[in-house]
Amino acid sequence: QQPVQSPQAVILREGEDAVINCSSSKALYSVHWYRQKHGEAPVFLMILLKGGEQKGHEKISASFNEKKQQSSLYLTASQLSYSGTYFCGTGRTGSARQLTFGSGTQLTVLP
Amino acid sequence: EAGVAQSPRYKIIEKRQSVAFWCNPISGHATLYWYQQILGQGPKLLIQFQNNGVVDDSQLPKDRFSAERLKGVDSTLKIQPAKLEDSAVYLCASSLTTSGGETQYFGPGTRLLVL
Repeated sequence: QQPVQSPQAVILREGEDAVINCSSSKALYSVHWYRQKHGEAPVFLMILLKGGEQKGHEKISASFNEKKQQSSLYLTASQLSYSGTYFCGTGRTGSARQLTFGSGTQLTVLP
Repeated sequence: EAGVAQSPRYKIIEKRQSVAFWCNPISGHATLYWYQQILGQGPKLLIQFQNNGVVDDSQLPKDRFSAERLKGVDSTLKIQPAKLEDSAVYLCASSLTTSGGETQYFGPGTRLLVL
């Protein structure tokens, strides 16, 4: 079951904040966040695990509500380099098998 | 540390032709994944290897797609015969293990256009 991401697209000015949401209808073990720029490979941002463990970049924060099967990615004081498409990938078990990605949120940061 | 390598970067073929993609994962990574990413969509897992064994190939169209990782290092994904709907970017990724908490590192992808 593919996770649902919202919004589909967002346009910001440099310095503004943004929140990207990811929700699943199934119980989750992990949520993985990636950013992909046009024509490039997805780049790892963060992993959130059931139980509260997080691994990721210092300047990016995220939350994982296990009961609601939802995760949110928080981008504060946006920079031009934050532009790209953000994907969440959800894992339903303790294995990385069947990591299912959402359809993405396109973020554009304007000067 | 070298990243995930893929070749070729671009390929244009006609429908019904065959094509093969190559992937070399990060050194020491036991798990290798092949994803298909259609324009405007997120990556879709095709097959996952743990060393040289298949962990999951439930979404691989086995009538036309095949993949192997014979020595547990590099891998080849083949399409034969190709259809128009196979036009996509084929991404290879690797991780240390199959643990749900492991980061998957992606290669640059192979962009396939089927005419």
